[in-house]
Amino acid sequence: SAVISQKPSRDICQRGTSLTIQCQVDSQVTMMFWYRQQPGQSLTLIATANQGSEATYESGFVIDKFPISRPNLTFSTLTVSNMSPEDSSIYLCSQTGASPDTQYFGPGTRLTVL
Amino acid sequence: AQSVAQPEDQVNVAEGNPLTVKCTYSVSGNPYLFWYVQYPNRGLQFLLKYITGDNLVKGSYGFEAEFNKSQTSFHLKKPSALVSDSALYFCAAEMIKAAGNKLTFGGGTRVLVKP
Repeated sequence: SAVISQKPSRDICQRGTSLTIQCQVDSQVTMMFWYRQQPGQSLTLIATANQGSEATYESGFVIDKFPISRPNLTFSTLTVSNMSPEDSSIYLCSQTGASPDTQYFGPGTRLTVL
Repeated sequence: AQSVAQPEDQVNVAEGNPLTVKCTYSVSGNPYLFWYVQYPNRGLQFLLKYITGDNLVKGSYGFEAEFNKSQTSFHLKKPSALVSDSALYFCAAEMIKAAGNKLTFGGGTRVLVKP
């Protein structure tokens, strides 16, 4: 398996502000992903974080709202911009490890927007 | 579009009894299938996967899952449930593409194992 850390683990933010979530993995991997888990719901893929190029966003998610960086093979950030209460969710990053067909997940960042 | 369904929102079982969590999928081609578990205030943990080969796959913590192509199902099973198995379980399907692998998750099933 993989060791994945996320910062912060949780945060409470005010409407209209932005929060940047960091994801650090313990090995150089090609694929990193960002997911959202809204309260009581399943996981939805936000985007694939590509090293050295723009992220690939899924339908319903846009770069202006969720800018993503991936400066190297072991680190990525997701920013939730201009937050509203509807953005209250758990945000998780994942990576493919030594087995490229299996994704391993970080512990998640629990975001509450007031 | 591919989809994964978990028909039960919650499964209640007595400790020591068999546990089954159901999953069906609708995807084109031959998907990879996965089970993950989420304990309270924690991320998802990988349990097991089916890629190819034997239809019965064994995973962590005594869990296993049976792939049934004709029924497009991938049910998770454990012969004897423990109270510590109480958690949220997710089934997922992955289509392997040149542009990147994408996981599609089911809605999740909450398992409650009672002493």
